[in-house]
Amino acid sequence: KAGVTQTPRYLIKTRGQQVTLSCSPISGHRSVSWYQQTPGQGLQFLFEYFSETQRNKGNFPGRFSGRQFSNSRSEMNVSTLELGDSALYLCASSLGNMNTEAFFGQGTRLTVV
Amino acid sequence: GENVEQHPSTLSVQEGDSAVIKCTYSDSASNYFPWYKQELGKGPQLIIDIRSNVGEKKDQRIAVTLNKTAKHFSLHITETQPEDSAVYFCAPLSGGSYIPTFGRGTSLIVHP
Repeated sequence: KAGVTQTPRYLIKTRGQQVTLSCSPISGHRSVSWYQQTPGQGLQFLFEYFSETQRNKGNFPGRFSGRQFSNSRSEMNVSTLELGDSALYLCASSLGNMNTEAFFGQGTRLTVV
Repeated sequence: GENVEQHPSTLSVQEGDSAVIKCTYSDSASNYFPWYKQELGKGPQLIIDIRSNVGEKKDQRIAVTLNKTAKHFSLHITETQPEDSAVYFCAPLSGGSYIPTFGRGTSLIVHP
């Protein structure tokens, strides 16, 4: 079956702009989680959506937001971009039950200049 | 929340050697213990996992051992090959939580 698909793979944006990233989970998976990965901070959890509702949230400012559609596809949005937002953004899909495997996409590499 | 420490941060071995990476966690209610491998330019991929009712699990050259009393679990790779070179993450999951806490990662380098 098809894996987790993230688009676009690469993005370059200017400070102050906003950006929207997309994630299509594995068919049948209802949970989508987003992570920010940087060399200095490692993998940091942003938020998780399950059945169109935000179920868990990490410790990021309100500039980071997301949503999930009825087909489980998810988008995350970052407004008023800062240089420090440059990172690899990963999404992971799972069935959404406890103790189940998470499947990651290849990520979107965001560079803010 | 869960505190996770992973050691070492970098591990360099010769092809054919064994490699061991240790992950220490703080939440005694953790009950799911996966290891992920991330190759350059790719997202993390689950390579092996263990649940709290099992002490050891093996899959060909890789194994995971769990010590719940001491709150740590380890990844063991035997007969390492250059294609094992990657960053490895532990990500224990607390009971009642849907979101794992990732360790900082271990960069494994296997020299041919």
